[in-house]
Amino acid sequence: QVQLQESGPGLVKPSQTLSLTCTVSGGSISSGGYYWSWIRQHPGKGLEWIGYIYYSGSTYYNPSLKSRVTISVDTSKNQFSLKLSSVTAADTAVYYCASGASAFYDYWGQGTLVTVSS
Amino acid sequence: DIQMTQSPSTLSASVGDRVTITCRASQSISSWLAWYQQKPGKAPKLLIYKASSLESGVPSRFSGSGSGTEFTLTISSLQPDDFATYYCQQYNSYGAFGQGTKVEIK
Repeated sequence: QVQLQESGPGLVKPSQTLSLTCTVSGGSISSGGYYWSWIRQHPGKGLEWIGYIYYSGSTYYNPSLKSRVTISVDTSKNQFSLKLSSVTAADTAVYYCASGASAFYDYWGQGTLVTVSS
Repeated sequence: DIQMTQSPSTLSASVGDRVTITCRASQSISSWLAWYQQKPGKAPKLLIYKASSLESGVPSRFSGSGSGTEFTLTISSLQPDDFATYYCQQYNSYGAFGQGTKVEIK
């Protein structure tokens, strides 16, 4: 059973880069066939797909965030990461990491709230 | 970009009711659609994938149908544990979610 856990700063200053890590347990991130994804949820709002990295290393990002987003994998640590640059208050949200054998998600982290504020 | 539109935004129902939620895609997504249930403060839970395939462990009162641009999630007999927000997600191109449907107690 794959388990995911997000980690990273809960407070980021405007214009800085938001960095989060998702640690995978119960399975290998390099085993193949999985999509490793980031999704966020603004307070009281719906889900927003940020992007994913496929096990092959290919990345796909939400076009509305593409210029600011980087998703990468560290197979030695069984982790994948999200970097979102030039953040503003509009990036305040709960950030989830998620994965699945297709591009839908049967495994989710618990979510981590990131607040953008000076 | 493919846009996903759910209706209604809020649905008031009673235990035992049959409930139907609709999700429409702005262009054809074949059957590449998933449904999730989310409760306050929790991560979403996968219910249905490939439009009509029930995820393991999900009660059979949940069912999905549709293809192309129009899809439905049906709960055949609403149970107390089903009061939650439901989201559709297309995975034909990227992974856009619908805006959600909150199922509340009538």
